[in-house]
This record gives sequence, C-alpha cells and structure tokens, in this order.
Amino acid sequence: QKEVEQNSGPLSVPEGAIASLNCTYSDRVSQSFFWYRQYSGKSPELIMSIYSNGDKEDGRFTAQLNKASQYVSLLIRDSQPSDSATYLCAPRGTGRRALTFGSGTRLQVQP
Amino acid sequence: NAGVTQTPKFQVLKTGQSMTLQCAQDMNHNSMYWYRQDPGMGLRLIYYSASEGTTDKGEVPNGYNVSRLNKREFSLRLESAAPSQTSVYFCASSVYGGGDEQYFGPGTRLTVT
Repeated sequence: QKEVEQNSGPLSVPEGAIASLNCTYSDRVSQSFFWYRQYSGKSPELIMSIYSNGDKEDGRFTAQLNKASQYVSLLIRDSQPSDSATYLCAPRGTGRRALTFGSGTRLQVQP
Repeated sequence: NAGVTQTPKFQVLKTGQSMTLQCAQDMNHNSMYWYRQDPGMGLRLIYYSASEGTTDKGEVPNGYNVSRLNKREFSLRLESAAPSQTSVYFCASSVYGGGDEQYFGPGTRLTVT
C-alpha cells in the first residue's frame, strides 16, 4: 500500500461547480496535512494546511480531515478555469524527515 | 523576499558530465530539501538538511551528493550524470524539519543525453 494515495484523474468539472479532491494515507499517527497546487511546468505551491479533524475553510477552498478514516479532502467551490492544476496531498508523519507527497490529482475546469 | 531560488532553470548534460544545482532561501528557514519529480512518480526526496551543518539521505540518494554551505544555501551535485537522472529538481525549505510546511523553489529542468 502506498503511503499516500490520490486518484490521478483527470477530474473534469464545469466552471462554477464544486470540485472534490480526495486523499487517503497509511500512517495512522499523521498529525498535519497539507494541500499543494502545482500548475503545469511550475513548482508546488502550498494552499491549505489542516491539523485537526473537521473542516477548515479559506476562501473558495475547504479542507476536510477524518483521522479515524485516514482521509483528507479538498473542496473547491465555484471552480474557475484558473483552478486547473494538479493538487498534491502531503500528510506529515510522526518522526518523518520531510513531507510525503501523493502523486497528485489533475483537475480540469471546463469553461 | 525572493523566497527559494534555484539556478540554473534548465540544463542539458551529456552522460558522465558533472554539475551542481544551486539553491538559496532568504526566509531564515532551518531545514532544506532536494526533490526530483518524474511523470507519474510524484515528488521523491533525494537529500535533506535538518539544520545547518547536517545532511541526510532521502528516498533516492544514489548518484547525488549535497552540501549545506550555510543556513541559506543547499547545493545538489551530480558527479557523473546518467540518463536516469533526467528529471525536474525542486529545492524546498521549512522553518523546522520533520514535515513542517515546505516552500518550493521554481525548479531546474535537467536533461541527460
């Protein structure tokens, strides 16, 4: 089992819709979770951090964490074509040297 | 603040040649990292430096060496480049190690022929 699993996509949604991106992780003691956005040909950019169970909202973005199910998701409301990118999930494991990244989900927002 | 900077942006090497990728950060971060990113493979950790004066191997260290020159700078050296090292290389930094929020440089696209 991979440490971090994401559906590679592409996930295609129409403009204005809600995009739902999901991530499961194997390390039960992961305490922190990060979502990165990576545009084609660019570097990953941190967009959300979540540390406790429940929801965290930041503008059009909501991160949801369920530690019991080892599941974290990112919802993007009112999706825009500019949201088209690959989204990387990165849980922080206890005693780890660095973040472990998923392979990412490619999101396409259709105008 | 420039954040994390990397040089060069692009490089083409012949098999067997050597080169050093440079990385610098101006955020006063303690920890720095080198990753490579290949299609379908995600980001893989090559080396990291938890603090100035320390370095340690990551997931894929073979064929690479690193130097933490000072708190700001962390370089990655390929002694004898191989086509398997064709990749995009990212440097990142964080306040503390162990999976703290990491901030990435723009990357170096390396092709080895």
